[in-house]
Amino acid sequence: KQEVTQIPAALSVPEGENLVLNCSFTDSAIYNLQWFRQDPGKGLTSLLLIQSSQREQTSGRLNASLDKSSGRSTLYIAASQPGDSATYLCAVRPRDNAGNMLTFGGGTRLMVKP
Amino acid sequence: DTAVSQTPKYLVTQMGNDKSIKCEQNLGHDTMYWYKQDSKKFLKIMFSYNNKELIINETVPNRFSPKSPDKAHLNLHINSLELGDSAVYFCASSQWDRLGEQYFGPGTRLTVT
Repeated sequence: KQEVTQIPAALSVPEGENLVLNCSFTDSAIYNLQWFRQDPGKGLTSLLLIQSSQREQTSGRLNASLDKSSGRSTLYIAASQPGDSATYLCAVRPRDNAGNMLTFGGGTRLMVKP
Repeated sequence: DTAVSQTPKYLVTQMGNDKSIKCEQNLGHDTMYWYKQDSKKFLKIMFSYNNKELIINETVPNRFSPKSPDKAHLNLHINSLELGDSAVYFCASSQWDRLGEQYFGPGTRLTVT
């Protein structure tokens, strides 16, 4: 059974700092991995999708990497801003999942202080 | 221009009642999902549905049932509500293609008293 873990559970950094969020999964047989952002009381916004054949994806100040063999992904945020404060979730789509259903990690709650 | 929308945004009801949450997507996707986010903010899949089949997470009680009038809608019906059903429910959609990105609705906060 696929399990996804995110460390740390919470992170507080000063504005301008570069930071890395970690995601690990127990079964490397995945189709893809998706990073989401969730603001308090809001839905999920998709940030980046990495296919199993890819090593990384970039969007603006965000860069996500995938090491499928070791079961790890990282989300790198450059020059963090207070507006980046949110909960970041990673989710994997297992290969053996007939319903294309995502398995989520518990999230990292990020606070960027001005 | 909302891609995935849900109604209502908030739902407060008493134990034992039956309620429905509606979901609509205008992305032309052929697959829709329901997820539950509990009080600890952990998201779990409940259902995956496209025009071919319904996949149910084995942990979901049979009091929960998805109903799809057409490809753009997947409503969630809950019978005999219990206190433990209180959570935020998210609808999502994607293409069945296994590479498809999932897009989420804003969520419905259900409170059972």
